[in-house]
Amino acid sequence: DTVLTQSPALAVSPGERVTISCRASESVSTLMHWYQQKPGQQPTLLIYLASNLESGVPARFSGSGSGTDFTLTIDPVEADDTATYYCQQSWNDPWTFGGGTKLELK
Amino acid sequence: EVQLVESGGGLVQPGRSLKLSCAASGFTFSNYYMAWVRQAPTKGLEWVASITNSGGSTYYRDSVKGRFTISRDNAKSTLYLQMDSLRSEDTATYYCTRDRDSYAPFDYWGQGVMVTVSS
Repeated sequence: DTVLTQSPALAVSPGERVTISCRASESVSTLMHWYQQKPGQQPTLLIYLASNLESGVPARFSGSGSGTDFTLTIDPVEADDTATYYCQQSWNDPWTFGGGTKLELK
Repeated sequence: EVQLVESGGGLVQPGRSLKLSCAASGFTFSNYYMAWVRQAPTKGLEWVASITNSGGSTYYRDSVKGRFTISRDNAKSTLYLQMDSLRSEDTATYYCTRDRDSYAPFDYWGQGVMVTVSS
């Protein structure tokens, strides 16, 4: 299976820029997607195909990368962005998710 | 507005069966692949199974192959997950998701339904 590795947690101050990384154990081309999950809620799609902003998602969110290294950037971070962020690949069967990065605001 | 509403969860003993349903609305159900994704308590997300828009092809993760069956009724806009021979490690919240196609993201998620496998 393709393993996606994310840093477990980050803490930033409102107004700052934060980058969340996701490294794949093998190439996933650009078939990488990012989700936000707030406590007690279902995940929501933020970015698809590495760099495409999902409709309705604020332009503060952006994605980049290809192959094995991907990044989700939030700039500037707002208090409402407190959540866990997951990457997910759909290139190699089975589809897999990263372990999630918990973003906390200082 | 796209809505996915799961039902059928609960507490079940190991080795027993349970069937989840997901009622879809707000889009043309028969045009979309669908999938189930689960999340064990305090853990991350795990893809479980997918089905093509016609229902003609299905895909499963290895740990549920032969025990779980994904199906759909396009006339009723409903997705199902039949879970047999349940194990404690199947304990999770199960999310119904819409999948644009086989390589696409899960663009809409239901609120989830809890399945607890315990004696």
